[in-house]
Amino acid sequence: AQSVTQLGSHVSVSEGALVLLRCNYSSSVPPYLFWYVQYPNQGLQLLLKYTTGATLVKGINGFEAEFKKSETSFHLTKPSAHMSDAAEYFCAVSEPGGGNKLTFGTGTQLKVEL
Amino acid sequence: EADIYQTPRYLVIGTGKKITLECSQTMGHDKMYWYQQDPGMELHLIHYSYGVNSTEKGDLSSESTVSRIRTEHFPLTLESARPSHTSQYLCASSDISEQFFGPGTRLTVL
Repeated sequence: AQSVTQLGSHVSVSEGALVLLRCNYSSSVPPYLFWYVQYPNQGLQLLLKYTTGATLVKGINGFEAEFKKSETSFHLTKPSAHMSDAAEYFCAVSEPGGGNKLTFGTGTQLKVEL
Repeated sequence: EADIYQTPRYLVIGTGKKITLECSQTMGHDKMYWYQQDPGMELHLIHYSYGVNSTEKGDLSSESTVSRIRTEHFPLTLESARPSHTSQYLCASSDISEQFFGPGTRLTVL
């Protein structure tokens, strides 16, 4: 069975500061990994994904994440936070060949302060 | 434009009513999913389908039912709504590696 742990249900950063949202996973096989963003009263939008290949993945809006197999981690970063980044962020994992079913973490609410 | 649609976006209804939440996608995807999300919580898979006439229950037990008569359409039905069904319901479809989500339906049962 797969599981995802997101450390910190709420993260607050200053505008212009580094954003770091943590995600650790548990999977019996090399997984596919995803970060989604959710704005209030909206669905989820894919920020980035790792399937195979390069372990540093770049996504939309300046976000990137690095797959570290030895640490079973897929932390999300952005060098400089913007007010528009305030949202809920979900890390998710799926098992290749498992029908693309996603297992989500509990989410991290990102607050960006002036 | 290829997209995924959910209607209604918001629904307030009384206990005991039958409701159907609509989900349609124009991307030609075979795989579709329904998730339930309580406020501030993670998403839980309640139903999925790998194609026409194929439906399966997800990881979270739900009193809702689904059908998949057409590739593009994956409606969710509650025969008798209860306050415990109050939640946000998100529909998604996927290609070979990525899920695409609709905007969600926020259901409130009084």
